[in-house]
Amino acid sequence: AQSVAQPEDQVNVAEGNPLTVKCTYSVSGNPYLFWYVQYPNRGLQFLLKYITGDNLVKGSYGFEAEFNKSQTSFHLKKPSALVSDSALYFCAVRDMRSGAGSYQLTFGKGTKLSVIP
Amino acid sequence: GAVVSQHPSRVICKSGTSVKIECRSLDFQATTMFWYRQFPKKSLMLMATSNEGSKATYEQGVEKDKFLINHASLTLSTLTVTSAHPEDSSFYICSARDRALPGELFFGEGSRLTVL
Repeated sequence: AQSVAQPEDQVNVAEGNPLTVKCTYSVSGNPYLFWYVQYPNRGLQFLLKYITGDNLVKGSYGFEAEFNKSQTSFHLKKPSALVSDSALYFCAVRDMRSGAGSYQLTFGKGTKLSVIP
Repeated sequence: GAVVSQHPSRVICKSGTSVKIECRSLDFQATTMFWYRQFPKKSLMLMATSNEGSKATYEQGVEKDKFLINHASLTLSTLTVTSAHPEDSSFYICSARDRALPGELFFGEGSRLTVL
């Protein structure tokens, strides 16, 4: 079975400092990995994805993530945090159980990021 | 990017009534849509997968007679919560797959259901 772990319920960082939100995964085959952000009472917004290619993926709003196959990690990073980055962040892996035609995602439990002014 | 519209964004209803939530793909055709439920401070729980023109596939533990899903067209899927109970109060989110953009799902803004 596929799974995603976000070990931190909450991450606090000062504005202007670099931020990292951790994610590790477990899949049987090749992983398709995603990061989404959710603001209060809103749906999920796509940030970035890794399917193949360069291990460093750049996404929206200055975020990037590094795919590390040996550590089965896909940590989300940003060089300089903004107060407006404060939100709930979800890591997700594409569920391969239902075959190539399925696009079901398995989500981590989410990490609340708070950027302190 | 592709836009998914969800309506209503908030709904309050009395116990025993039924509530319908719509999920529309505005600028693309969505052969597959997914319905999620999100509890406070929890992750998203997949409820069902909705395929256009066929019956929805429900996840284990989700009552199909209580959560009716209809995907009548390539741009619209609906979730109807029947005989609503206060424990059905939650945030419901849909997502849609754009077959022109493989490997990516687009999410609606979510619908907050409160059952009194």
